[in-house]
Amino acid sequence: AQSVTQLDSQVPVFEEAPVELRCNYSSSVSVYLFWYVQYPNQGLQLLLKYLSGSTLVESINGFEAEFNKSQTSFHLRKPSVHISDTAEYFCAVTRQGGSEKLVFGKGTKLTVNP
Amino acid sequence: DTGVSQDPRHKITKRGQNVTFRCDPISEHNRLYWYRQTLGQGPEFLTYFQNEAQLEKSRLLSDRFSAERPKGSFSTLEIQRTEQGDSAMYLCASSHGRQNSYEQYFGPGTRLTVT
Repeated sequence: AQSVTQLDSQVPVFEEAPVELRCNYSSSVSVYLFWYVQYPNQGLQLLLKYLSGSTLVESINGFEAEFNKSQTSFHLRKPSVHISDTAEYFCAVTRQGGSEKLVFGKGTKLTVNP
Repeated sequence: DTGVSQDPRHKITKRGQNVTFRCDPISEHNRLYWYRQTLGQGPEFLTYFQNEAQLEKSRLLSDRFSAERPKGSFSTLEIQRTEQGDSAMYLCASSHGRQNSYEQYFGPGTRLTVT
């Protein structure tokens, strides 16, 4: 079975500051990793994913995440956040070769203040 | 592409009543998933369909829960004899199932309140 731990339930930051949202996972088999974002009053949207290849993956709005197999981590970073990044962020894993069902962490609420 | 839709968006019911939710996936997607999300938690997997076949069910899914996907199109999730612990957001997601895609598209959810 897989599990995901998001170490911070809430992260408040000021606009234009850097941010890191932490995610660690546990699995006895190889997994794929994802970050989903949920903006206020909207559904979950895929932000970025790691399937294979380069361990650093990027989203179109400036977020990046790095897969670290030895530390079983997939932390999400952005060098300079905007007010519009205020949302809840969920880290998720799925077992390679499985049904693609997602196992989610509890989420991190990012609040960007002016 | 109109996205995944769910109906109703909100449902308030009394304990012991039955409720049914509907999910319409993106039209060309052959995989459909149901998740449940409670306050302060991430979504938890409930069940998964590939076309019309229900291929996996979570142990979270008690006998009071049943899901169908007739003809591999829309899906319904029914909860019989609702309990207060069933209060949650029920999320539906679909994916194309193409190799190396692994991208699930989520609907807006149905919020169930059991009084």
